[in-house]
Amino acid sequence: QVQLQESGPGLVKPSGTLSLICAVSGDSINTGQWWSWVRQSPERGLEWIGEIYHSGSTNYSPSLKSRVTISIDTSNNYFSLNMNSVTAADTAVYYCARGNRDLRRAFDIWGRGTLVTVSS
Amino acid sequence: FVMTQSPLSLPVTPGEPASISCRSSQSLLQRNGFNYLHWYLQKPGQSPQLLIYLGSNRASGVPDRFSGSGSGTDFTLKISSVEAEDVGIYYCMQALQPPFTFGPGTKVDIK
Repeated sequence: QVQLQESGPGLVKPSGTLSLICAVSGDSINTGQWWSWVRQSPERGLEWIGEIYHSGSTNYSPSLKSRVTISIDTSNNYFSLNMNSVTAADTAVYYCARGNRDLRRAFDIWGRGTLVTVSS
Repeated sequence: FVMTQSPLSLPVTPGEPASISCRSSQSLLQRNGFNYLHWYLQKPGQSPQLLIYLGSNRASGVPDRFSGSGSGTDFTLKISSVEAEDVGIYYCMQALQPPFTFGPGTKVDIK
């Protein structure tokens, strides 16, 4: 079955760049689905960051758009998140998720999540 | 789109029914007749999992004790007979248009 796995540094310095990868296994990333990043913190709850289509088309949360880039590598079956100028407020568990096109972008598959702490 | 939920905490007795309300600040009903409202359950220590999509459709593998209803701005998730494994936080989410937004969550635990 399709599985998602997040990876990346668990600790990022303030003003630095957060970089995460979501590896997709069990299916091709090139199957017409949307691929999202969602984060969760006690302060903000579940917060959608943005999404990318296999074609490379993206949508971002307006509150994060100036700092976030989501990209996709269809050859190696993964998509990635880059967030610059991070602060302590960006400390959260980051999830990647599949937005199922047939279910109108319901997130039917989630990664296990990875905790990213912003601290010096 | 601002999503609200009530109650925020729901102690339940196994075998009894439970109900969670979700309200959107704008209608989630598309011209195609679908309500772009999804429900998720996050069990303790786990990632969220999809329960209900498009307001009333159970996701694959979801027991039939879970049901979703509603249209426009008001939606309800019902559990016909709560089981111990249903504890966790339930979230609604609008997917009508980005940015997708989640409700604050309803924490369900056993009395």
